[in-house]
Amino acid sequence: DVKVTQSSRYLVKRTGEKVFLECVQDMDHENMFWYRQDPGLGLRLIYFSYDVKMKEKGDIPEGYSVSREKKERFSLILESASTNQTSMYLCASGYLNGYTFGSGTRLTVV
Amino acid sequence: DQQVKQNSPSLSVQEGRISILNCDYTNSMFDYFLWYKKYPAEGPTFLISISSIKDKNEDGRFTVFLNKSAKHLSLHIVPSQPGDSAVYFCAASDNYGQNFVFGPGTRLSVLP
Repeated sequence: DVKVTQSSRYLVKRTGEKVFLECVQDMDHENMFWYRQDPGLGLRLIYFSYDVKMKEKGDIPEGYSVSREKKERFSLILESASTNQTSMYLCASGYLNGYTFGSGTRLTVV
Repeated sequence: DQQVKQNSPSLSVQEGRISILNCDYTNSMFDYFLWYKKYPAEGPTFLISISSIKDKNEDGRFTVFLNKSAKHLSLHIVPSQPGDSAVYFCAASDNYGQNFVFGPGTRLSVLP
């Protein structure tokens, strides 16, 4: 069964910390995505990647960066966490017939 | 401005009846649409899709209708079951699945 694994289900970080969210997929997909989910706003695309070492900004990239050193791994980095980055973060991979999502990481920045 | 809108934040339906979830979009270049279902503490799961060359797609109890002229699609669930209670997201792509824009979601509650 296809799988997208996010390393943490819950994280609590302090304002100003550098935060790494890891995502691994075992489907050999080229496309990987990071979204955040907030009430009333749905899923908003932060960054995506179509290939190793390649990245594209989504709709809300400010305050985030990403890393794709290997095909199966796509990392989201919060350079200096702020309270408005408290959210549910969802990683996805796939194409055309839909994405497979990870279970999400609920990040709280205090 | 949101390109994909789901104007009903929530919907309650009796078990066994039909659930109709609506989605409107503004970008006429959208050519591929998906519905996802999301349970609490889980990632969204793919439910059903439709491309712009069709106006209907069925999969078991789930049917998606697309009205391109109205820029509107709807998801019908018949009959509704308590296990269908979840948040449903509509998503649209303008390059045939390369990159999707999601709506804000509708929370469906199916009452026993």
